[in-house]
Amino acid sequence: GESVGLHLPTLSVQEGDNSIINCAYSNSASDYFIWYKQESGKGPQFIIDIRSNMDKRQGQRVTVLLNKTVKHLSLQIAATQPGDSAVYFCAEKPPSGTYKYIFGTGTRLKVLA
Amino acid sequence: DAGVTQSPTHLIKTRGQQVTLRCSPKSGHDTVSWYQQALGQGPQFIFQYYEEEERQRGNFPDRFSGHQFPNYSSELNVNALLLGDSALYLCASTRQGGTEAFFGQGTRLTVV
Repeated sequence: GESVGLHLPTLSVQEGDNSIINCAYSNSASDYFIWYKQESGKGPQFIIDIRSNMDKRQGQRVTVLLNKTVKHLSLQIAATQPGDSAVYFCAEKPPSGTYKYIFGTGTRLKVLA
Repeated sequence: DAGVTQSPTHLIKTRGQQVTLRCSPKSGHDTVSWYQQALGQGPQFIFQYYEEEERQRGNFPDRFSGHQFPNYSSELNVNALLLGDSALYLCASTRQGGTEAFFGQGTRLTVV
């Protein structure tokens, strides 16, 4: 069935270190992927996206890597800050003709002072 | 510029009752999707509305229905509430043809 899963349910990192959050997706035909950040009591907040014709995309302090061969996504956060503490979701969009995003369970990132 | 707004923020209902949740999309957006997020889970797609019609539906029973108005705002209705309907209900809006979805803060529904 369709699924977007995450390898680590909880990730703890020291403030200032780099964080890497991983995600596996199941639909090899998905053409668009997004990382969302969700803080307690709030809706998901867009972080960064990537299309299937790209391998890497960089934003401010964040980088998303896409490995289509093994159907794997990762989100790298540089110099992790306390404000980065949240649950992170990857989401995939199946190919044209469908309009839904498929989310995984999420990874909780805890930043240690 | 207001983002996606949802109301109410919290709601408590009794089993068997009906509930209506509301969403106003981000300015310039004409497409609204609804998601259900159970505690500790990722959001699950319920349905999407565009041009006042349901364009795609996820694996949810007919008790879940919706509506989109000419101003692009939307409602989610759930009939015959079950305890298992307790969740955070999220609304997301996009531009037609766009891909980046913006989410509201959600409505926390508790069924007792």
